[in-house]
Amino acid sequence: QSALTQPASVSGSPGQSITISCTGTSSDVGGYNYVSWYQQHPGKAPKPLIYDVSNRPSGVSDRFSGSKSGNTASLTISGLQAEDEADYYCSSYTSTTAFVFGTGTKVTVL
Amino acid sequence: EVRLVESGGNLIQPGGSLRLSCAASGFIVSNINMNWVRQAPGKGLEWVSVMYTGGYTYYADSVKGRFTISRDNSKNTVYLQMNGLRAEDTAVYYCARESLDSSYFDYWGQGTLVIVSS
Repeated sequence: QSALTQPASVSGSPGQSITISCTGTSSDVGGYNYVSWYQQHPGKAPKPLIYDVSNRPSGVSDRFSGSKSGNTASLTISGLQAEDEADYYCSSYTSTTAFVFGTGTKVTVL
Repeated sequence: EVRLVESGGNLIQPGGSLRLSCAASGFIVSNINMNWVRQAPGKGLEWVSVMYTGGYTYYADSVKGRFTISRDNSKNTVYLQMNGLRAEDTAVYYCARESLDSSYFDYWGQGTLVIVSS
Protein backbone atom coordinates (compact mmCIF):
# COMPACT_ATOMS: atom_id res chain seq x y z
CA GLN A 1 0.00 0.00 0.00
CA SER A 2 1.62 3.24 -1.14
CA ALA A 3 1.24 6.46 0.80
CA LEU A 4 -1.23 9.02 -0.46
CA THR A 5 0.46 11.89 -2.31
CA GLN A 6 0.56 15.34 -0.76
CA PRO A 7 2.65 18.40 -1.69
CA ALA A 8 5.76 18.62 0.48
CA SER A 9 5.11 22.23 1.42
CA VAL A 10 2.52 24.97 1.12
CA SER A 11 2.86 28.54 2.33
CA GLY A 12 0.67 31.58 2.71
CA SER A 13 0.46 34.93 4.41
CA PRO A 14 -1.70 35.59 7.46
CA GLY A 15 -5.34 35.92 6.52
CA GLN A 16 -4.96 34.10 3.22
CA SER A 17 -6.46 30.74 2.30
CA ILE A 18 -4.41 27.72 1.32
CA THR A 19 -5.38 24.29 0.03
CA ILE A 20 -3.55 21.02 0.50
CA SER A 21 -4.26 18.16 -1.89
CA CYS A 22 -4.19 14.43 -1.12
CA THR A 23 -4.19 12.06 -4.09
CA GLY A 24 -4.84 8.36 -3.84
CA THR A 25 -6.58 5.70 -5.87
CA SER A 26 -9.99 4.13 -6.27
CA SER A 27 -8.96 1.63 -3.55
CA ASP A 28 -8.70 4.33 -0.92
CA VAL A 29 -9.59 8.02 -1.36
CA GLY A 30 -11.79 7.48 -4.39
CA GLY A 31 -13.54 4.43 -3.04
CA TYR A 32 -14.59 5.55 0.41
CA ASN A 33 -15.79 8.68 2.16
CA TYR A 34 -13.45 7.92 5.05
CA VAL A 35 -10.87 10.62 4.40
CA SER A 36 -9.53 12.39 7.47
CA TRP A 37 -6.99 15.13 8.09
CA TYR A 38 -4.59 15.65 11.00
CA GLN A 39 -2.48 18.56 12.21
CA GLN A 40 0.82 17.89 13.93
CA HIS A 41 3.00 20.44 15.66
CA PRO A 42 6.65 19.54 16.34
CA GLY A 43 7.06 17.02 19.12
CA LYS A 44 3.32 16.59 19.53
CA ALA A 45 0.83 13.88 18.68
CA PRO A 46 -1.38 14.41 15.63
CA LYS A 47 -4.70 16.16 16.18
CA PRO A 48 -7.77 15.33 14.07
CA LEU A 49 -9.14 18.22 12.02
CA ILE A 50 -11.53 16.62 9.51
CA TYR A 51 -13.22 13.24 9.22
CA ASP A 52 -15.50 11.65 6.64
CA VAL A 53 -14.12 14.04 3.99
CA SER A 54 -15.70 17.21 5.33
CA ASN A 55 -16.82 16.86 8.94
CA ARG A 56 -15.10 18.65 11.82
CA PRO A 57 -14.71 17.10 15.26
CA SER A 58 -16.10 19.15 18.11
CA GLY A 59 -13.81 22.05 18.99
CA VAL A 60 -12.06 22.34 15.63
CA SER A 61 -12.17 25.80 14.07
CA ASP A 62 -14.46 26.28 11.06
CA ARG A 63 -11.45 27.79 9.28
CA PHE A 64 -10.62 24.20 8.39
CA SER A 65 -12.70 22.55 5.69
CA GLY A 66 -12.42 19.42 3.57
CA SER A 67 -13.67 18.17 0.26
CA LYS A 68 -13.13 15.37 -2.26
CA SER A 69 -13.34 14.89 -5.99
CA GLY A 70 -12.59 11.51 -7.48
CA ASN A 71 -9.31 10.17 -6.10
CA THR A 72 -8.21 13.53 -4.66
CA ALA A 73 -9.18 15.03 -1.32
CA SER A 74 -8.40 18.57 -0.23
CA LEU A 75 -7.99 20.48 3.02
CA THR A 76 -8.53 24.24 2.95
CA ILE A 77 -7.35 26.52 5.71
CA SER A 78 -9.04 29.91 5.59
CA GLY A 79 -7.88 33.03 7.38
CA LEU A 80 -4.41 31.57 7.87
CA GLN A 81 -2.94 32.23 11.33
CA ALA A 82 0.56 31.85 12.75
CA GLU A 83 -0.60 28.93 14.91
CA ASP A 84 -1.55 27.02 11.75
CA GLU A 85 2.12 26.52 10.96
CA ALA A 86 2.49 22.75 11.33
CA ASP A 87 2.59 19.49 9.41
CA TYR A 88 -0.66 18.20 7.93
CA TYR A 89 -1.49 14.61 7.02
CA CYS A 90 -4.42 13.10 5.19
CA SER A 91 -5.56 9.55 5.81
CA SER A 92 -8.00 7.20 4.16
CA TYR A 93 -9.56 3.86 4.79
CA THR A 94 -8.29 1.42 2.19
CA SER A 95 -9.52 -1.90 0.87
CA THR A 96 -6.01 -3.38 0.95
CA THR A 97 -4.96 -3.06 4.58
CA ALA A 98 -7.03 -0.79 6.76
CA PHE A 99 -5.63 2.72 6.70
CA VAL A 100 -3.09 4.68 4.73
CA PHE A 101 -1.61 8.11 5.46
CA GLY A 102 -0.48 10.81 3.11
CA THR A 103 3.14 11.84 2.70
CA GLY A 104 2.57 14.99 4.75
CA THR A 105 2.61 18.72 4.01
CA LYS A 106 4.53 21.37 5.89
CA VAL A 107 2.54 24.58 6.11
CA THR A 108 4.52 27.78 6.53
CA VAL A 109 2.92 31.06 7.49
CA LEU A 110 4.95 33.82 5.87
CA GLU B 1 -11.94 11.79 29.95
CA VAL B 2 -10.33 9.63 27.26
CA ARG B 3 -6.63 9.06 27.77
CA LEU B 4 -4.06 6.83 26.06
CA VAL B 5 -0.62 6.31 27.60
CA GLU B 6 2.05 4.38 25.72
CA SER B 7 5.10 2.81 27.33
CA GLY B 8 7.80 0.29 26.56
CA GLY B 9 9.91 2.15 24.05
CA ASN B 10 13.64 1.62 24.34
CA LEU B 11 16.95 1.24 22.57
CA ILE B 12 17.14 -2.30 21.18
CA GLN B 13 19.61 -4.14 18.97
CA PRO B 14 18.65 -5.30 15.48
CA GLY B 15 16.90 -8.65 15.60
CA GLY B 16 15.64 -8.02 19.11
CA SER B 17 12.12 -7.94 20.52
CA LEU B 18 10.13 -5.32 22.38
CA ARG B 19 6.57 -5.04 23.65
CA LEU B 20 4.80 -1.71 23.67
CA SER B 21 1.82 -1.03 25.91
CA CYS B 22 -1.05 1.39 25.53
CA ALA B 23 -3.02 1.88 28.72
CA ALA B 24 -6.46 3.32 28.08
CA SER B 25 -8.82 5.16 30.39
CA GLY B 26 -12.20 6.77 29.88
CA PHE B 27 -13.45 4.00 27.60
CA ILE B 28 -13.25 0.23 27.16
CA VAL B 29 -10.68 -0.95 24.62
CA SER B 30 -12.66 -4.03 23.67
CA ASN B 31 -15.53 -1.79 22.50
CA ILE B 32 -13.43 0.24 20.05
CA ASN B 33 -11.03 -0.48 17.22
CA MET B 34 -7.51 0.26 18.43
CA ASN B 35 -4.56 1.10 16.20
CA TRP B 36 -0.82 1.65 16.27
CA VAL B 37 0.72 4.36 14.08
CA ARG B 38 4.43 5.13 13.87
CA GLN B 39 6.58 8.01 12.77
CA ALA B 40 10.25 7.63 11.93
CA PRO B 41 12.47 10.58 12.88
CA GLY B 42 11.77 13.49 10.53
CA LYS B 43 9.36 11.39 8.48
CA GLY B 44 5.61 11.06 8.01
CA LEU B 45 2.99 8.98 9.74
CA GLU B 46 2.71 5.30 8.90
CA TRP B 47 -0.22 3.14 9.93
CA VAL B 48 1.02 -0.09 11.53
CA SER B 49 -1.78 -2.26 12.88
CA VAL B 50 -5.39 -2.43 14.03
CA MET B 51 -7.31 -4.69 16.37
CA TYR B 52 -11.03 -4.64 15.68
CA THR B 53 -13.61 -5.09 18.41
CA GLY B 54 -14.29 -8.61 17.19
CA GLY B 55 -10.64 -9.52 17.62
CA TYR B 56 -9.63 -9.40 13.96
CA THR B 57 -6.22 -7.88 13.31
CA TYR B 58 -4.56 -6.30 10.29
CA TYR B 59 -1.01 -5.19 9.68
CA ALA B 60 0.95 -3.01 7.30
CA ASP B 61 3.00 -5.07 4.87
CA SER B 62 6.18 -3.63 6.40
CA VAL B 63 5.53 -5.33 9.75
CA LYS B 64 3.42 -8.34 8.81
CA GLY B 65 4.80 -11.53 10.31
CA ARG B 66 6.99 -9.64 12.79
CA PHE B 67 4.54 -7.53 14.84
CA THR B 68 1.49 -8.72 16.78
CA ILE B 69 -1.24 -6.55 18.23
CA SER B 70 -3.22 -7.79 21.22
CA ARG B 71 -5.28 -6.53 24.13
CA ASP B 72 -5.87 -7.39 27.76
CA ASN B 73 -9.44 -6.51 28.62
CA SER B 74 -8.80 -6.90 32.35
CA LYS B 75 -6.11 -4.21 32.16
CA ASN B 76 -7.87 -2.15 29.48
CA THR B 77 -4.56 -2.15 27.63
CA VAL B 78 -3.48 -2.76 24.05
CA TYR B 79 -0.07 -4.15 23.18
CA LEU B 80 2.25 -4.28 20.20
CA GLN B 81 4.72 -7.16 20.31
CA MET B 82 7.58 -6.39 17.96
CA ASN B 83 9.97 -9.18 16.94
CA GLY B 84 12.84 -9.24 14.48
CA LEU B 85 13.34 -5.52 14.82
CA ARG B 86 15.17 -3.68 12.07
CA ALA B 87 16.80 -0.26 11.88
CA GLU B 88 13.88 0.93 9.76
CA ASP B 89 11.51 0.22 12.66
CA THR B 90 13.07 3.12 14.56
CA ALA B 91 10.20 5.51 15.23
CA VAL B 92 7.85 7.07 17.72
CA TYR B 93 4.97 4.66 18.11
CA TYR B 94 1.53 6.11 18.79
CA CYS B 95 -1.51 4.32 20.05
CA ALA B 96 -4.63 5.72 18.38
CA ARG B 97 -8.29 5.09 19.04
CA GLU B 98 -10.69 4.81 16.14
CA SER B 99 -13.86 6.83 16.50
CA LEU B 100 -17.05 4.99 17.40
CA ASP B 101 -18.90 6.87 14.68
CA SER B 102 -16.48 6.73 11.78
CA SER B 103 -13.14 5.50 10.54
CA TYR B 104 -10.71 8.09 11.81
CA PHE B 105 -8.40 8.42 14.80
CA ASP B 106 -10.10 10.63 17.37
CA TYR B 107 -7.69 10.18 20.28
CA TRP B 108 -3.93 9.65 20.27
CA GLY B 109 -1.39 8.88 22.95
CA GLN B 110 1.78 10.90 23.42
CA GLY B 111 3.93 8.25 21.75
CA THR B 112 6.84 6.07 22.83
CA LEU B 113 10.23 6.05 21.10
CA VAL B 114 11.78 2.86 19.78
CA ILE B 115 15.37 3.00 18.56
CA VAL B 116 16.79 -0.03 16.80
CA SER B 117 20.55 0.24 16.66
CA SER B 118 23.67 -1.71 17.51
